[in-house]
Amino acid sequence: DTGVSQDPRHKITKRGQNVTFRCDPISEHNRLYWYRQTLGQGPEFLTYFQNEAQLEKSRLLSDRFSAERPKGSFSTLEIQRTEQGDSAMYLCASSLPASQSPLHFGNGTRLTVT
Amino acid sequence: AQSVAQPEDQVNVAEGNPLTVKCTYSVSGNPYLFWYVQYPNRGLQFLLKYITGDNLVKGSYGFEAEFNKSQTSFHLKKPSALVSDSALYFCAVRDTGGGNKLTFGTGTQLKVEL
Repeated sequence: DTGVSQDPRHKITKRGQNVTFRCDPISEHNRLYWYRQTLGQGPEFLTYFQNEAQLEKSRLLSDRFSAERPKGSFSTLEIQRTEQGDSAMYLCASSLPASQSPLHFGNGTRLTVT
Repeated sequence: AQSVAQPEDQVNVAEGNPLTVKCTYSVSGNPYLFWYVQYPNRGLQFLLKYITGDNLVKGSYGFEAEFNKSQTSFHLKKPSALVSDSALYFCAVRDTGGGNKLTFGTGTQLKVEL
């Protein structure tokens, strides 16, 4: 399978714990995006990378959130001191740099904070 | 800022009948518009896009969309619905601020019944 891969699929954690998610994009895609989706809502942009450079971060991305893409390939999203409001589906997507290139999404990581 | 609106939370249609899922957009400049479909507990799958050119865009699984500049709409259509088309559909517009990131609507649940 050469699509976008996310790990884990599901994560249950207790409030206050740290969690980390991983995303492996399509290999030839140099752009990588993180989105968050809550029930009944469309995906909301969090951040994106071009190669290893993080080019934009949403105001939704509080100080407890950090994303990295150290070698321009896979990316990690870490949430520190999780809160119940962090419960959501975290989606990763990748694309080619051309402006009309669609985003290709992974199946997401569903986070539940208890 | 760019935005899309999906005025219907749910659309019900009988199998074999034509379906329409509505989307209107607001963007400065020329819009790049996309439709995605999401099945339960899965990521978003790209259906089609409008960048420029013909106002009728054809995409995957027999779907098409009609771009109407005067009405700022980009409605998704299919001539004959299938039960397997039942899913959550999202309209999206590419942000004008750089990168390929998308702003999504709130989604429309399509239910196709026998």
